[in-house]
Amino acid sequence: GAVVSQHPSWVICKSGTSVKIECRSLDFQATTMFWYRQFPKQSLMLMATSNEGSKATYEQGVEKDKFLINHASLTLSTLTVTSAHPEDSSFYICSARDLAGGPSETQYFGPGTRLLVL
Amino acid sequence: GQNIDQPTEMTATEGAIVQINCTYQTSGFNGLFWYQQHAGEAPTFLSYNVLDGLEEKGRFSSFLSRSKGYSYLLLKELQMKDSASYLCAFMDSNYQLIWGAGTKLIIKP
Repeated sequence: GAVVSQHPSWVICKSGTSVKIECRSLDFQATTMFWYRQFPKQSLMLMATSNEGSKATYEQGVEKDKFLINHASLTLSTLTVTSAHPEDSSFYICSARDLAGGPSETQYFGPGTRLLVL
Repeated sequence: GQNIDQPTEMTATEGAIVQINCTYQTSGFNGLFWYQQHAGEAPTFLSYNVLDGLEEKGRFSSFLSRSKGYSYLLLKELQMKDSASYLCAFMDSNYQLIWGAGTKLIIKP
């Protein structure tokens, strides 16, 4: 149980275009999903916390107009990188918290999306 | 304030035992997590401790001392596939995970 999927796993795009990444909890309901970014050889950086049916909470320094988050259902959250630039190239990982509470609020991670902006 | 610290890199031999330490400081605490992350992949959940003591799961065990702000992950009978980064993270009073930078574990034959 507790499987989280992400799509796409790999995306290459031109500078200035927008990219949408989907995060789905496949076998559980997630009221809260998290979006992380990870640069090579660095730790996870939380970008935003996404709550179903409400606006996302962004971490300091993360532009909410550039990284649009929608959490329309208990199993789906999307991250849209608008007007992507080469510095946005990174590994984007989502995680979901099981509504039932898991072993106390465990976050389960998706496989990640590697974004390369040319 | 909050902070969390773990060694950057460790090396161990196949078949041996290795202990990865993690120290943290926080005013609000709701548990400590260990995750394994292979290169190029997302983290996978290993363990969760909220009470003091040792939790054993097969070859992996995790220990917590809340009074000392200290945890360790113990890996026994090391296998080559255990080569990965090991991330510790504590959950603060807002139920947000605060991540360590990760410990890269290198297993040698």
